[in-house]
Amino acid sequence: KNQVEQSPQSLIILEGKNCTLQCNYTVSPFSNLRWYKQDTGRGPVSLTIMTFSENTKSNGRYTATLDADTKQSSLHITASQLSDSASYICVVSDGDMRFGAGTRLTVKP
Amino acid sequence: DGGITQSPKYLFRKEGQNVTLSCEQNLNHDAMYWYRQDPGQGLRLIYYSQIVNDFQKGDIAEGYSVSREKKESFPLTVTSAQKNPTAFYLCASIRTSGGMNTEAFFGQGTRLTVV
Repeated sequence: KNQVEQSPQSLIILEGKNCTLQCNYTVSPFSNLRWYKQDTGRGPVSLTIMTFSENTKSNGRYTATLDADTKQSSLHITASQLSDSASYICVVSDGDMRFGAGTRLTVKP
Repeated sequence: DGGITQSPKYLFRKEGQNVTLSCEQNLNHDAMYWYRQDPGQGLRLIYYSQIVNDFQKGDIAEGYSVSREKKESFPLTVTSAQKNPTAFYLCASIRTSGGMNTEAFFGQGTRLTVV
């Protein structure tokens, strides 16, 4: 069973709308959690990295939250743009990196 | 500029043929990893190397081989023993601090197709 579960598997939204992607994990002990953006046919690029003591971290229109007690993280995208269309991957580290399957986001005009 | 480079971007393999995917980094990272990505699945670890001249099998190493003769280079060979090699392959180098992995930097990937 994958130790990092992401939802939804795919999501379609209209340009300008907000959305939230979820990541639940069972990895323990916990070192850090990262969100990556992967454009089609490209390598993933880091958006945010959060340690155990951090609850929220922003990177422009991207805001990640972390609840280490419930082992949940979310990535909120504000005022979506067409260029946000990509896969978003949650990676939880316990020394080794555990990858979620990703959420495929499509932003339509 | 510092970075990690994979080549080629696209690769076609005939049945029974070995092919080698290149991965080079100039980030001075000790650790390098190879992952395979299939549609709808998370990245799966093939091989990794924490230091030069040493490497370890990941979760799906069968049919693959690697070498780490230089810190900057970690080539992956897909052998004829790999029965379903069509996939997107990603190489990463990892910055480590205090013995813990802190961040992975990925190459742009190589899409391998069996023809």
